[in-house]
Amino acid sequence: AQTVTQSQPEMSVQEAETVTLSCTYDTSESDYYLFWYKQPPSRQMILVIRQEAYKQQNATENRFSVNFQKAAKSFSLKISDSQLGDAAMYFCAYRIPRTSGTYKYIFGTGTRLKVLA
Amino acid sequence: DTGVSQNPRHKITKRGQNVTFRCDPISEHNRLYWYRQTLGQGPEFLTYFQNEAQLEKSRLLSDRFSAERPKGSFSTLEIQRTEQGDSAMYLCASSGASAGGYYEQYFGPGTRLTVT
Repeated sequence: AQTVTQSQPEMSVQEAETVTLSCTYDTSESDYYLFWYKQPPSRQMILVIRQEAYKQQNATENRFSVNFQKAAKSFSLKISDSQLGDAAMYFCAYRIPRTSGTYKYIFGTGTRLKVLA
Repeated sequence: DTGVSQNPRHKITKRGQNVTFRCDPISEHNRLYWYRQTLGQGPEFLTYFQNEAQLEKSRLLSDRFSAERPKGSFSTLEIQRTEQGDSAMYLCASSGASAGGYYEQYFGPGTRLTVT
């Protein structure tokens, strides 16, 4: 069964600094998708960034980038120039391959990011 | 607002009562998902609809739980004879076709259920 592990329950970063959140996953599939979602306190989850397993190039979205290591089954999120608004719970998610006919996510347990002024 | 909406946002009920939650997905999305999130955990998949067809149900979805999506639009999740262990945030998400086949999911704000 596929699993997603986020080993850092909580991280802190100084405003304007860079922080990296870790995510590892276990799968025997070669085709899949990975996502990072942000869940601010009492607000809905927002997609931060996505990565397709077949793409070797790491995805970037403004201040957010990933380090995707397929062989190591690692998918870390780097946040550069951290801002107070980045404070949230961050979830890593794995999506079942499309060939299975479903598109459900498997989530990690999350990392709470605190941004210090 | 064209995002995913959920109602009610909060529900407090007594053990043994039935509750029903509603989810309105993004209008052009044909896929709809329900997840459950307990404190300190990531969301766990409950069930999935493609249009009006319920294509997958998790083992977490006991026979006290039922979900529908009539006409492939909004969806309802009903819990019968609620138990304290049902207390959680119930999240709805929807997805549609997107470039690259990502089918990324867009989440609603959730319904927080408290069973007393």
